[in-house]
Amino acid sequence: NAGVTQTPKFRILKIGQSMTLQCTQDMNHNYMYWYRQDPGMGLKLIYYSVGAGITDKGEVPNGYNVSRSTTEDFPLRLELAAPSQTSVYFCASSYPPGVSNQPQHFGDGTRLSIL
Amino acid sequence: DQQVKQNSPSLSVQEGRISILNCDYTNSMFDYFLWYKKYPAEGPTFLISISSIKDKNEDGRFTVFLNKSAKHLSLHIVPSQPGDSAVYFCAASIQGAQKLVFGQGTRLTINP
Repeated sequence: NAGVTQTPKFRILKIGQSMTLQCTQDMNHNYMYWYRQDPGMGLKLIYYSVGAGITDKGEVPNGYNVSRSTTEDFPLRLELAAPSQTSVYFCASSYPPGVSNQPQHFGDGTRLSIL
Repeated sequence: DQQVKQNSPSLSVQEGRISILNCDYTNSMFDYFLWYKKYPAEGPTFLISISSIKDKNEDGRFTVFLNKSAKHLSLHIVPSQPGDSAVYFCAASIQGAQKLVFGQGTRLTINP
């Protein structure tokens, strides 16, 4: 019963390095999301996807890229890491909205520090 | 521009008493609201939701109240238990659009 799995759990990057945060879900959810949470703040949407091959920007997309080649996977890429990207990153997934919106299921997060 | 606000960063309640967490929103387009609970080093987990066509939704010890005219919602936990100690996030969305806007969170501590 894995749900949403994020790897790695922790990572330290140097300024200017790049990396990919991995996210996979086994619930056959069409919708997937990436959020970041800064200290004392709520989660902010970076990118989301409504299905394989379809992605769109959220509230804070600058400095990030995503791709969605399969239903299960939704990786988030940082091309040129900056200190402002130090944060905890959460991936989530859900069914499409029906009569009501569907709750999102979250992974346990990746804690990323840029030094 | 904080569209969803939780003005109390922390709340401390005696075990067995009622916990009331509050949330305000500014965007009148929001019509679907959720509460999430988060333990340290874990992701948020869905707790309860409410659509704007209702003013109350109940699930066991958890009840969410919505006051549309005041753009205010609250989460009531009765009775409070030690396992309820966590950070609670209020989130808002528009029906049909799954994108969530989160508040800053309230850290609830239940004291024995």
